[in-house]
Amino acid sequence: DAKTTQPTSMDCAEGRAANLPCNHSTISGNEYVYWYRQIHSQGPQYIIHGLKNNETNEMASLIITEDRKSSTLILPHATLRDTAVYYCIVRYMEYGNKLVFGAGTILRVKS
Amino acid sequence: NAGVTQTPKFRILKIGQSMTLQCTQDMNHNYMYWYRQDPGMGLKLIYYSVGAGITDKGEVPNGYNVSRSTTEDFPLRLELAAPSQTSVYFCASSQAGREYSNQPQHFGDGTRLSIL
Repeated sequence: DAKTTQPTSMDCAEGRAANLPCNHSTISGNEYVYWYRQIHSQGPQYIIHGLKNNETNEMASLIITEDRKSSTLILPHATLRDTAVYYCIVRYMEYGNKLVFGAGTILRVKS
Repeated sequence: NAGVTQTPKFRILKIGQSMTLQCTQDMNHNYMYWYRQDPGMGLKLIYYSVGAGITDKGEVPNGYNVSRSTTEDFPLRLELAAPSQTSVYFCASSQAGREYSNQPQHFGDGTRLSIL
């Protein structure tokens, strides 16, 4: 699986958009980009995933650059409850669909 | 919807004791996983299973055993507990699809285990 690089931490004002970047310069053509988050000590929660097109769901939007070497997760109106560790994961569709978690980005939403 | 249920939520063990962490899911998912998470770190895969009767090692399998006799259940066994196994353990499941589908994993709330 391709390696990802994320900032260690970010701050965001409540009500503003939170933009979380992820670099994955060694991504290959059949690797998906996944985003999960972990609030406090709960189990990770799936947010969104994509291959090459931008994606949007009820939680967030995922913007993938044309060369696929980086992506941005956008939480359009961050709330205090969005404070969490956000993980960007790149992986193949492969046997077992295994995930490899890095250290992630700590997002702090402040009032 | 129950999703992925893990028991117990907390447990303290003495060195050398054994225990089984339980995990069950009600989503009829074929794939199931066990991860551990040490403080301040990301999750590491211990074992996974692609269906009943099939299990495979992940990144950090030493000291653990698993079984998958039914689709719903995927217990994790610690035979001789060691302090290095103090961690938070998460179970997850995902839907298998055609051509190794890109379905997301659904996680339980974790078991916090301390070995003293």
